[in-house]
Amino acid sequence: QQQVKQSPQSLIVQKGGISIINCAYENTAFDYFPWYQQFPGKGPALLIAIRPDVSEKKEGRFTISFNKSAKQFSLHIMDSQPGDSATYFCAASNEGGTSYGKLTFGQGTILTVHP
Amino acid sequence: DAGITQSPRHKVTETGTPVTLRCHQTENHRYMYWYRQDPGHGLRLIHYSYGVKDTDKGEVSDGYSVSRSKTEDFLLTLESATSSQTSVYFCAIGKRGLTDTQYFGPGTRLTVL
Repeated sequence: QQQVKQSPQSLIVQKGGISIINCAYENTAFDYFPWYQQFPGKGPALLIAIRPDVSEKKEGRFTISFNKSAKQFSLHIMDSQPGDSATYFCAASNEGGTSYGKLTFGQGTILTVHP
Repeated sequence: DAGITQSPRHKVTETGTPVTLRCHQTENHRYMYWYRQDPGHGLRLIHYSYGVKDTDKGEVSDGYSVSRSKTEDFLLTLESATSSQTSVYFCAIGKRGLTDTQYFGPGTRLTVL
């Protein structure tokens, strides 16, 4: 059962463009939504995260938009750069429960930014 | 990689052989996790630990076992490796509190022939 669905599977954008990756979740108990960035040969690293008490969070060129009623959240990368080329994963967890910090991940999006 | 090492980094083995992967942390985090990463599936949780000798199953635990005898070490064992267990395995650590942020190790690429 895939509780977090991510799209698209791959994305190609030009340098300076906006990259948008979308995720949808099913479990209404989820209350923490991080995004991870992974470069080839490396482990995933936390990029940015949001909780459902806000609808948007921005850190530099990266923004998470959150729609609680639709159970969707998305990552926007403004002014995309070739160095942003990586695989991006959305994830979700239930911080308030007894989930022991377990994260449920989306399937991943391979982002390629052309110079 | 936040004080996390995994060994070995690469391994090729044959079907039916036992394999043990090691995760070692220097952060003294209470929580440790094993994931596998496969194309089209993202990262899927195999097993996790919430303390020494305290472990539980994740989403894809069949064919895997774990042990944690010390805070810093979390072992993943494939009792009898199968080709379907060819994957990249990641260990992660976390400490609950304000967030459920997890920090990942560099991964182990396992090929089962």
